[in-house]
Amino acid sequence: DGGITQSPKYLFRKEGQNVTLSCEQNLNHDAMYWYRQDPGQGLRLIYYSQIVNDFQKGDIAEGYSVSREKKESFPLTVTSAQKNPTAFYLCASSIVSWGLDSPLHFGNGTRLTVT
Amino acid sequence: GDSVTQMEGPVTLSEEAFLTINCTYTATGYPSLFWYVQYPGEGLQLLLKATKADDKGSNKGFEATYRKETTSFHLEKGSVQVSDSAVYFCALSEPRMDSSYKLIFGSGTRLLVRP
Repeated sequence: DGGITQSPKYLFRKEGQNVTLSCEQNLNHDAMYWYRQDPGQGLRLIYYSQIVNDFQKGDIAEGYSVSREKKESFPLTVTSAQKNPTAFYLCASSIVSWGLDSPLHFGNGTRLTVT
Repeated sequence: GDSVTQMEGPVTLSEEAFLTINCTYTATGYPSLFWYVQYPGEGLQLLLKATKADDKGSNKGFEATYRKETTSFHLEKGSVQVSDSAVYFCALSEPRMDSSYKLIFGSGTRLLVRP
């Protein structure tokens, strides 16, 4: 079955360490996204990519970095510069990002805890 | 910019009760509107969508009508089940400068259905 795989489901890190969250999709989607979800808040866009080797900052990109070397993969690195990294991170993909009727397909998320 | 406002939760109902979750939006153009659902520990799933005024989206007994005159997209279900317990997110698509679109999410409404 096609879908989006995020790993690991839970991740624990010490403050000051960089950490990379994995996101892989086999839906053959061009566009991929990273969102952050905090309790009681909606989803906030961190980065998005419409095509391989290209990506753009979302609304809260500071302290994060991404790469898009393959169509299937869009890893997110949470750097030590991110002031409040503890959150639930969701990866998503869509057929095209400029299609009004293109819904997002989400992975099951990675819960990152930094102490 | 565009925005989405949802009623605060949690909404607690007994099984077979009628559900309404309010959603209103502000937008400069004519966005598509969506409802996503998030079950515990999972990512979001598209529940239904509407792409133009007066469209009604429906799925799994849930319905929502795109009301341009009241800028609303309220989610309704005639008889909820325990399995409907989840967080529901209203969202709209907003055009970006590069002609692509991004989703703007509301803060989510938690629904708890008791047997």
